[in-house]
Amino acid sequence: AQSVTQPDIHITVSEGASLELRCNYSYGATPYLFWYVQSPGQGLQLLLKYFSGDTLVQGIKGFEAEFKRSQSSFNLRKPSVHWSDAAEYFCAVGSYSGGGADGLTFGKGTHLIIQP
Amino acid sequence: NAGVTQTPKFRVLKTGQSMTLLCAQDMNHEYMYWYRQDPGMGLRLIHYSVGEGTTAKGEVPDGYNVSRLKKQNFLLGLESAAPSQTSVYFCASGVNSPLHFGNGTRLTVT
Repeated sequence: AQSVTQPDIHITVSEGASLELRCNYSYGATPYLFWYVQSPGQGLQLLLKYFSGDTLVQGIKGFEAEFKRSQSSFNLRKPSVHWSDAAEYFCAVGSYSGGGADGLTFGKGTHLIIQP
Repeated sequence: NAGVTQTPKFRVLKTGQSMTLLCAQDMNHEYMYWYRQDPGMGLRLIHYSVGEGTTAKGEVPDGYNVSRLKKQNFLLGLESAAPSQTSVYFCASGVNSPLHFGNGTRLTVT
């Protein structure tokens, strides 16, 4: 069965500092990987996804993620965070063959706090 | 451009009552999903649909039923609500994966 681990429940970063959120997955085949962001009281917004090809994926809002098959990881990064980046971040994995059509498996989320 | 719309936004039920949550999307997506979100649990898939007239069970389907009579609508039903179904419910749609989410329905069962 596929699974996603986000090791950090909370992360605090100073505004302007760099950010890396960790995501490790367990999946028997080539995965289809996603990062979502959720602001309080809102639904999830897709930041980026990896399907195939270049392992460094660019997303919206200045985020990027790198797929490392050898480490089963798909970490999310941003060079300089803004106060508006404070939110909950979810990593998710789906089946490559179905493109995630059978629904994704989500991690439990990382809560990002931005210090002034 | 409404995207994915969920109604209602909030609801309080007594144990044993029934209700239906409605999800509507205006993007002509084939795939639609219902998730529940509980503190510290992330999102868990309840049911999904890969097209009009089709439904399939997800990770936590017990106590829920769904219908997809029209392509744009995906209904989630609770026949006899239980306190364990207190949660925030999210609908999502996409071409072939859950890419667009609604803003959620907060359901409390007392």
